[in-house]
Order: sequence, then structure tokens, then C-alpha cells
Amino acid sequence: QVQLQESGPGLVKPSQTLSLTCAVSGGSISSGSYYWSWIRQPAGKGLEWIGRIDTSGSTNYNPSLRSRVSISVDTSKNQFSLKLRSVTAADTAVYYCAQTRITIIGEVIDLYGMDVWGQGTTVTVSS
Amino acid sequence: AILMTQSPSSLSASVGDRVTITCRASQDIRSDLGWYQQKPGKAPKLLIYAASSLHSGIPSRFSGSGSGTNFTLAISSLQPEDFATYYCLQDSNYPWTFGLGTKVDIK
Repeated sequence: QVQLQESGPGLVKPSQTLSLTCAVSGGSISSGSYYWSWIRQPAGKGLEWIGRIDTSGSTNYNPSLRSRVSISVDTSKNQFSLKLRSVTAADTAVYYCAQTRITIIGEVIDLYGMDVWGQGTTVTVSS
Repeated sequence: AILMTQSPSSLSASVGDRVTITCRASQDIRSDLGWYQQKPGKAPKLLIYAASSLHSGIPSRFSGSGSGTNFTLAISSLQPEDFATYYCLQDSNYPWTFGLGTKVDIK
């Protein structure tokens, strides 16, 4: 059973870079059968998809964050990471990582939902 | 970005009630929609994917329907453990977008 665990600083100063890692256990991140996403949720608010990566390193980002965000994968460590630059108080949130199972047949990609989530990690942006 | 309009934003119901939540997409997303349940302090949990497919281990009282722009999550007989917030998520086009959520609480 795959498990995901987020880690990183809980406090980041304004204008600095938020860096989080999601460790994958119970399965290989190198499997081509998954997308790996980051999602965030400010306190008392809804969910926002940040972006996703696959094991080839292909990424898609939310345009609302695209100029500041990057997601990378480290297959040797079985983990993927999020970097968000130039943070402000508006970036304070619980950050989740999640996997989406996919199947690829030719050019058709079928998605099966974000079926495994990390427990979430709270990041506060404050001086 | 595709806008997901979820309604109602909240509802009060009793154990045993049938509950329905809807999501409307601002453009055609085929059947590329999932439903998630979130309890306070916990990560979201996948209930339904591809609009109507029940995720493994999810009770059959949950069901999803719809395609194109209109989607529904139904809970046939609300149980105490179902009081939570529910979100829809479209994964048809990037960026993937969530609805604003529906909080289901006890009447």
C-alpha cells in the first residue's frame, strides 16, 4: 500500500522560497502509472491544485502560481518536491501531496482520481 | 481555467436522509470528474472517479453521475460518519480545478 509523507519547514519568511518534499513508500515513484501532485488549502478554505509531475519529469502547473512554482522528481530517493518562490502570507496553507493513477494506451490517458494523499503539512509564511 | 460551480455550499441533513450535491463545469469535461470527502484536520479522500466509478473500499451508498457539464454526487442513506465537506475536482483540462466544497452537517 503506497503511502505519502510531506516534509519541510513549517515557517518560511516572506519573499523566501518554500521547499517541501513528498516521500513515497510502499511503491516506486518510477512506475509510469502515476501522476504526482501538490495541492494546498488555506485554513478554513477550499482546495487548490498547484501542479503535477510524472516520472519523465513532465509538469503542469496552475497558471495562478506558474511564475513562482516548480515541481521536481528524484527517483533515486523515491520522492518528489515542491518549490514556491517569493512567498507571501497568502501562501500560508496546509500543503498536501497526492498520487493519481493513470493508464496510457496510445495517446489516450485515463485518470483514476487522487487515490492516495499525504497527511498534509502546515506552512506559515511570517517574519 | 475551468470553473467548477458546486452547490449547495452547505446543507443540514439527518441520518438516513438521501443527499445530493451537484457540480457544474464551465465547459465540457466529458466524464473527467472526481468526488472527495474531507473531514476536519484530515486529507481529502477519494470517493468517485471518472464521474461514476466507485473507488475501492467506498460504501455503495455513495454514487456519482453525469457527464459533460453537470454532475451529481448522491449519498443514498446518510450515516454519522458521512458528515464532512465534499469537493468535486475536474481533471479534464489543466489546471485541474476544485469546486468550493459542500459542508454536510447534522440537522
